[in-house]
Parts: sequence; structure tokens; C-alpha cells
Amino acid sequence: AQKITQTQPGMFVQEKEAVTLDCTYDTSDPSYGLFWYKQPSSGEMIFLIYQGSYDQQNATEGRYSLNFQKARKSANLVISASQLGDSAMYFCAMREVATGGGNKLTFGTGTQLKVEL
Amino acid sequence: ETGVTQSPTHLIKTRGQQVTLRCSSQSGHNTVSWYQQALGQGPQFIFQYYREEENGRGNFPPRFSGLQFPNYSSELNVNALELDDSALYLCASSPGGAASGANVLTFGAGSRLTVL
Repeated sequence: AQKITQTQPGMFVQEKEAVTLDCTYDTSDPSYGLFWYKQPSSGEMIFLIYQGSYDQQNATEGRYSLNFQKARKSANLVISASQLGDSAMYFCAMREVATGGGNKLTFGTGTQLKVEL
Repeated sequence: ETGVTQSPTHLIKTRGQQVTLRCSSQSGHNTVSWYQQALGQGPQFIFQYYREEENGRGNFPPRFSGLQFPNYSSELNVNALELDDSALYLCASSPGGAASGANVLTFGAGSRLTVL
């Protein structure tokens, strides 16, 4: 079974609008972390936001927020006030602490976001 | 502070050859991991190094091997290259060694390998 599922291969959003990128995950580990990374065409993965499984509040970082619904095993990324520079591939990833954690992240297949004027 | 740097940025090899990719970790980071990203896919974990030893490995054959040096820089070696090894190889570093949920990985821009 897929551990990280991103069902939207591509998304379009108008500049200045908000957009939600979906991510569901599957784990039996009670302790895990969820990450979102942005990958522009240059290839570098840029960290956006982190949510721990025991965090009570949804994470926020500037224009990025994570809509964490633990019971539904979803961790959707919300980007507010989209900018042209937000056009990139977005990856959801999970670290499972009990199974070694460390630097092992399991990534989804990504969502290509295109911001339009 | 400098980020993660990788070299070379692009390279072309033929099937059966060997390749070495290099990575300098971010200042203050002592754990390095390598990922393979095939076209149109998410990155897949190859292995990680801490204190110059491999301490975690994904589902990759032994012809994928690595090294970490005392300055925390790292190499990824791939022997007997196959066509399916064509991919973007990403190096990531983080502070600390053991699993820490919030440890953020800092990635380099990758080395794009083409195997003909």
C-alpha cells in the first residue's frame, strides 16, 4: 500500500487566490512527522512546513499552513495568496520514528502547481 | 551558512560503468542521506550516514554504496550502471544523528545521471 498518496497530479490557481494540495498517509507508527517540500525546475527540494503526529495545533509558516486531520490521516497543504513564484512541484513526505526515522522520508508522487495571472 | 552542495550537476555514463557522486553537507550538519528521484516520481531513500557509518538503507541493491568523511561530506557510488539508474540523485543533510521527528532535511540541487 502507498504510504503517501497525492491524488492531484496537477493543479492550477489564480494569482492571489488560495489553493489546497491534498496528501493522505498510511502508518501504524504512533510517532511520525509530516513534511511538505517544494521542488522548482532547478531540482532543489525546499522545506516548507512540518507537522508532528502529537502536535495539537496545525502548523503554519507564513503563507503556508497544514490542515492536519489525524483521524482521517490527511495532511493537506494550504497556500494562501498564491504568487507566480509558487509554481513548482510539491511533495508530501513522512518520517516514521519507530522504524528508524532518521533521515528516511517517504515521499508521495507530487503535485505540479501552476499559478496563473 | 552554506547549504548542501552536490557535484557534478549533470553526467552521462554508459551501461556497466561506475559513477561517484559527491555531496558537501550544510555547516553544522552531521547526518547525510541520499535519495534517487526518477523522472515524474518522488524521491526514494537510498541510505543515510552518521558518524561515517551507514545506519539506514532503503530498498536498493548492494551496488549502491556510500562513504561519509570526517568533515561530514559524502559520496554515493553506483557500480554496474543500468538504464534504470538514470535519475536525479539528491543529497540531504540534517543536524543530529538519531531519529528526531522535527529534524528538517536540507537538500542539495542534485546530480542528474543519464545512463545510455
